[in-house]
Amino acid sequence: DADVTQTPRNRITKTGKRIMLECSQTKGHDRMYWYRQDPGLGLRLIYYSFDVKDINKGEISDGYSVSRQAQAKFSLSLESAIPNQTALYFCATSDVPSGAGELFFGEGSRLTVL
Amino acid sequence: AQSVTQPDIHITVSEGASLELRCNYSYGATPYLFWYVQSPGQGLQLLLKYFSGDTLVQGIKGFEAEFKRSQSSFNLRKPSVHWSDAAEYFCAVGARGGGNKLTFGTGTQLKVEL
Repeated sequence: DADVTQTPRNRITKTGKRIMLECSQTKGHDRMYWYRQDPGLGLRLIYYSFDVKDINKGEISDGYSVSRQAQAKFSLSLESAIPNQTALYFCATSDVPSGAGELFFGEGSRLTVL
Repeated sequence: AQSVTQPDIHITVSEGASLELRCNYSYGATPYLFWYVQSPGQGLQLLLKYFSGDTLVQGIKGFEAEFKRSQSSFNLRKPSVHWSDAAEYFCAVGARGGGNKLTFGTGTQLKVEL
């Protein structure tokens, strides 16, 4: 089984619908991140969490919210999806606070908003 | 704020040929630097990282990268490319003490001709 698991892997939805992307990890890491990947734009940070009580906005948090239900679970929500939120979403974890550690990525959740 | 530039969107090389992928960064001090690889349908995997010390770092799969402070560069190299190296490659920069909030480049898509 993967260390960082994202569900669903693929989702098609309509404008205005609420969508939740879930991430769970078995690595025991405190730090979890949500990134969005768009062609030609690379990966951009949406939200990050250093522990269950510490959640922070990234560079593109507008239109998104997150919930850290436990050390192992970090969910991303789109309250009212819009077409320009069509993208590939990645969850990642790390265990090094200094910024020097590796990010461990899930396999991604492809979201299409019609 | 930190930033990363990968000037080559696509690169095509023949199998067995050498490879160099370019990465330039902007950061006010010595950064943490990373190269990740993304195979189709997969998440990102760390190839190598630079924190300090020897400016030539070795990674997995026969890759290496050289940190050049004077040029603000961290180019990725491989002496002989294999067909399985076809993937998208991302350079990323992290701030010291930045909690692993990496800034990614836009990626370079590598095609390998047999």
